[in-house]
Amino acid sequence: AQTVTQSQPEMSVQEAETVTLSCTYDTSESDYYLFWYKQPPSRQMILVIRQEAYKQQNATENRFSVNFQKAAKSFSLKISDSQLGDAAMYFCAYIRLRLTTDSWGKLQFGAGTQVVVTP
Amino acid sequence: EAGVTQSPTHLIKTRGQQATLRCSPISGHTSVYWYQQALGLGLQFLLWYDEGEERNRGNFPPRFSGRQFPNYSSELNVNALELEDSALYLCASSLFLVGANVLTFGAGSRLTVL
Repeated sequence: AQTVTQSQPEMSVQEAETVTLSCTYDTSESDYYLFWYKQPPSRQMILVIRQEAYKQQNATENRFSVNFQKAAKSFSLKISDSQLGDAAMYFCAYIRLRLTTDSWGKLQFGAGTQVVVTP
Repeated sequence: EAGVTQSPTHLIKTRGQQATLRCSPISGHTSVYWYQQALGLGLQFLLWYDEGEERNRGNFPPRFSGRQFPNYSSELNVNALELEDSALYLCASSLFLVGANVLTFGAGSRLTVL
């Protein structure tokens, strides 16, 4: 069963504008971590932002911020003042905090959203 | 500080052959993870090694195997290659147990099976 869903295969944004990427996840856990990773054409996955589920405050890293809605199981990423260098595939990921032999160490990724930045 | 390094960058094999991919983690990281990124399928968890032991594996057949060496580097072996094994194989490292500790990825090894 798909745990992490990214419903937008591609999003286009103009330079200096804002784009929001959606991510929903399915879990019965109360403690977990959520991540956004960026994969540019160089292929290297780069961590953009991390959110602990027990923290109500939304994480922010410079121009990147999240809207974490725990009850709705939603974790969207907002990129403000978009730059050409933001063009990449963005992946949402989830891992539960509770250790079980099945989930141990297993970061689960969504299918990704391709962000295209136009001048 | 050197990041996660993977080799080779590209590898071309034919069906039935064996492939070996290598990964060196960030200094101080004891855990190494392998993910398969096939076209259109996102990232699928393959294997997790820590302190030389296999800690968990994803839903892949036994012909996908690996090991972790005393210096924490790792190799992934894929035996009896099939066409659908063509993918980008990403290695990542972290301090023990991802979640509280963040995964740092390498640039991947592109395996093409003809």
